[in-house]
Amino acid sequence: SAVISQKPSRDICQRGTSLTIQCQVDSQVTMMFWYRQQPGQSLTLIATANQGSEATYESGFVIDKFPISRPNLTFSTLTVSNMSPEDSSIYLCSVGQGNSYEQYFGPGTRLTVT
Amino acid sequence: AQTVTQSQPEMSVQEAETVTLSCTYDTSESDYYLFWYKQPPSRQMILVIRQEAYKQQNATENRFSVNFQKAAKSFSLKISDSQLGDAAMYFCAYRWMDSSYKLIFGSGTRLLVRP
Repeated sequence: SAVISQKPSRDICQRGTSLTIQCQVDSQVTMMFWYRQQPGQSLTLIATANQGSEATYESGFVIDKFPISRPNLTFSTLTVSNMSPEDSSIYLCSVGQGNSYEQYFGPGTRLTVT
Repeated sequence: AQTVTQSQPEMSVQEAETVTLSCTYDTSESDYYLFWYKQPPSRQMILVIRQEAYKQQNATENRFSVNFQKAAKSFSLKISDSQLGDAAMYFCAYRWMDSSYKLIFGSGTRLLVRP
């Protein structure tokens, strides 16, 4: 299994600012993903973080709002830009490896925008 | 498009009893994976059990088992001998059998365990 850490674990931010969330994995992984979980809701995939190339975004999510970096096989960042209260959510990083069926999730970052 | 539906927003079970959580899904694929994830208050998503669609045998993991009905597109989770630590949000998820790893989650069921 993979051990995943996220920083920060929570933050309170002002409208119009940006926050960068870090995801660190204890081993090299093939796939890294970013999910959003709005209050009381399910998880929605934002994008797949591709190492060495641009992230692949899901419908409804755009790079200008959620720029993603993945400089190597163990690390990724998600930035939430020009935040509004609607961006208040838990943001989760997850990873997949090789032929394994399983996706491992980080502990999440709880973001509150005031 | 693939969808996953959990029709029970909340379920309650007495400790040591059995509870079943429902999940239905819609897909035109013949091969795929189905999962149940648990999210306790700590927010850490934990894989409970998985089922490959090509396998007829229902998956079992200790006290957790599934009833997979492929034709009906139904995938329910049975928790036997419920424990206080089972209290959490449970999410049903669908994954294509390809290299994308992409997961589609249901809306979740909150499980309460009464002592």
